[in-house]
This record gives sequence, structure tokens and C-alpha cells, in this order.
Amino acid sequence: DTEVTQTPKHLVMGMTNKKSLKCEQHMGHRAMYWYKQKAKKPPELMFVYSYEKLSINESVPSRFSPECPNSSLLNLHLHALQPEDSALYLCASTSPGARNEQFFGPGTRLTVL
Amino acid sequence: GEDVEQSLFLSVREGDSSVINCTYTDSSSTYLYWYKQEPGAGLQLLTYIFSNMDMKQDQRLTVLLNKKDKHLSLRIADTQTGDSAIYFCAFSQGNTPLVFGKGTRLSVIA
Repeated sequence: DTEVTQTPKHLVMGMTNKKSLKCEQHMGHRAMYWYKQKAKKPPELMFVYSYEKLSINESVPSRFSPECPNSSLLNLHLHALQPEDSALYLCASTSPGARNEQFFGPGTRLTVL
Repeated sequence: GEDVEQSLFLSVREGDSSVINCTYTDSSSTYLYWYKQEPGAGLQLLTYIFSNMDMKQDQRLTVLLNKKDKHLSLRIADTQTGDSAIYFCAFSQGNTPLVFGKGTRLSVIA
């Protein structure tokens, strides 16, 4: 298995909803990432988990709450989002090693109404 | 921190070569990558080069690194319509998060 999977592919939610994005990889990678990507822009780093511990939080608002239940799974819990949070949310993973190659999932397209 | 510049658009005819350029500021970047993003999709790692290399070739892709000028390029030979996408250069010092360029939108005209 050489891919990162993300569910759901699309998500529409209201500002009062609570939802979660899920990411999974079975490549044995020990670092996992959440990125936010707006249209026609590069991905912006949100969170980094290393060995299941949160190692980087890029000053992300608390309405985004990451969770790493085990080495293969990464969740992003969403609550009280704003319309400007609508974006493509990308998960990535990397193996500690010489090349630090990050493998990206296909993303979840989130729309906040 | 790293500051990365890329031209935003490139248009080429099918069968021609495409060259996508990237300039950067932080010479301590150890790993340099090229990612491709098709519409509505995630990022696909195309190729990478270490900072101690000048060139890397992988089938139709050639990566050139000019460390003196801090210039990275990706050449796609015999460009096809399926190559139409946004191409991002990205940099890392190995154990640091990637820093992305703004992306170059490649349009291939049949």
C-alpha cells in the first residue's frame, strides 16, 4: 500500500456543525501533516504530527482540532467554522529518512455555508 | 526563512519542451522537490534532487539545480496534454516542513 487516503472527498457543513476529516496511510510513515489549500495558492501547513505527537501547530484557530489516534491515522475535527475556512484540506505523510519525501492524499474539498 | 518565486503561467504546444523555473533564497535547503497538482486533486511528487547534485533525469523529466544562482528548473520533454497542471517547487532542510513556491500553471495546447 503506497498511498495516503482521505475521507470524505467532499464535505458541506454549516457554521454550527461539527464534522471530522480523516486521513490514513499504511506505509509506516511516522510523520503526518495537515495542509489547507485555497484556490490557485500553494498548500499552507497547519499541523505536523511526529511519532503520534503534535510537533508543529502553525497558529491555527482552535476551531480546527487535530488528533492522531495511532501511527496510521490522522483526524481533523472541525467545529464552528467560518465561510473563509472553505478550502481543499490535504493530508500528507513522510518517512524519516534521507529524502523526506512527502506523499499527499487527494484532499477533502470543504465548503462552509 | 525560505522565500520561493515561480512564474505563474506557462503555455506550450504539444510535443514541445516545457521549462518551469523556481528561485529560492535559503541556501541551506537540502532537498528540492517538484510536485504536480491536477484540478481537484492532491499533490503528486514528480521528482526530487539533493542539494549536492546538479542534475537529475527521470524519463521525460530533467531537474537542473544551479546552487550559485539559487535556481531550480524542471524540464518536461515532449509535453503532452496530460501534463497540463500546476507545478510546485518545494524545499526542505530534511527534518523541516516543506516550503512551497506559488505554483506555475502549465497549459499545453494541442
